[in-house]
Amino acid sequence: QVQLQESGPGLVKPSETLSLTCNVSGGSIGGSNSYYYWNWIRQPPGRGLEWIGYIYYNGITEYNPSLKSRVTMSVDTSKNQFSLKLSSVTAADTAVYYCARLLADGTKRTFDIWGQGTIVTVSS
Amino acid sequence: SYELTQPPSVSVSPGQTASITCSGDKLEDKYACWYQQKAGQSPTMVIYQDTKRPSGIPERFSGSTSGNTATLTISGTQAMDEADYYCQAWDSSTVVFGGGTKLTVL
Repeated sequence: QVQLQESGPGLVKPSETLSLTCNVSGGSIGGSNSYYYWNWIRQPPGRGLEWIGYIYYNGITEYNPSLKSRVTMSVDTSKNQFSLKLSSVTAADTAVYYCARLLADGTKRTFDIWGQGTIVTVSS
Repeated sequence: SYELTQPPSVSVSPGQTASITCSGDKLEDKYACWYQQKAGQSPTMVIYQDTKRPSGIPERFSGSTSGNTATLTISGTQAMDEADYYCQAWDSSTVVFGGGTKLTVL
């Protein structure tokens, strides 16, 4: 049973960089025939879901155009984890941050496993 | 940018049928998914590829898409179905979520 667990600071100062890691357990983060993409999704308090982007096991990324200039994702297959960096944060970046696995098998593309989420507050 | 529009709230009586809509340009040409998020929990997929139900999801959950609208239908709604529901689709290689619909069972 694959499980995802987010970790990182719960408080970040304005203008600094938010850094989070998602540890993948119970399965490999990927190989040459992998159907899985590894995502970050966030949810501001009382609001809806916002996709941040994904990374494939070989480092290929795709980011939300609205966040692209501030987002960097990386993957470490030896540690079976992937990471998010969001630069120049403001209060608007305060949210629950989820990591999630995307299954992409032909026309079937769906987020089938989610982490429990971690709350990140941007405040001085 | 591509947008998906959902009603903010839907109310239903126990045992009745709830319908939640999701509208987007040419949505029938994309595959819609639906996610359920109960209070304080992570989202869970309830419908994928417009109409398919993953294992473990009750048969009362069904999905359909026509034209610009995808619909999540919950037949015989139960109190445990009270949650926020989000539709999701792909616009090229990027993910788009609807704004979410709060389903109240009263």
